Amino acid sequence: QQQVKQSPQSLIVQKGGISIINCAYENTAFDYFPWYQQFPGKGPALLIAIRPDVSEKKEGRFTISFNKSAKQFSLHIMDSQPGDSATYFCAASNTGNQFYFGTGTSLTVIP
Amino acid sequence: DTGVSQDPRHKITKRGQNVTFRCDPISEHNRLYWYRQTLGQGPEFLTYFQNEAQLEKSRLLSDRFSAERPKGSFSTLEIQRTEQGDSAMYLCASSPGQLRNTDTQYFGPGTRLTVL
Repeated sequence: QQQVKQSPQSLIVQKGGISIINCAYENTAFDYFPWYQQFPGKGPALLIAIRPDVSEKKEGRFTISFNKSAKQFSLHIMDSQPGDSATYFCAASNTGNQFYFGTGTSLTVIP
Repeated sequence: DTGVSQDPRHKITKRGQNVTFRCDPISEHNRLYWYRQTLGQGPEFLTYFQNEAQLEKSRLLSDRFSAERPKGSFSTLEIQRTEQGDSAMYLCASSPGQLRNTDTQYFGPGTRLTVL
């Protein structure tokens, strides 16, 4: 059973556009929701994370929107750049014991 | 470099052989995690340690897999009698694991295993 469902599987965005990736979860015990960026041949790198006590968190061009009642959260990448082309994973955790990852979104930013 | 390191980066082995991977976490990080990632998928949790104690094990971790963290520092993941289905990237991550606000995991570069 997939604990975290992620969509879309792939995304193509023009340079300067907004990239939006969505995730949904079922387990209401999850209390930490990170997003990771992964380049080919590399391990995932933490991009931004949120806890359910806030509805939005922004760091630079990256924003997480969190909807606790809908059990959904999303990553917005503003002013997308070709260097943002990578695979993005959402994840969820309960007190850091186990992390459940989505299946990933391959983002391509066209110059 | 004070990040998570893994060794080896690549391993090619024949079916039925045993392999062992090593992970060195960030210094003073209490928690250490092992994941498996196959092509086009997200990392799948295998197990994690709080210091030297192994606290959680996924059902993915069959009895051919064993992990240790003997002194609460580096960890090893051993796969016995490897099968072709074991071919994957094995990722290690560490986190401070002390306070609620420090669950951040830092991943290593991974060990890519190919079983022929």
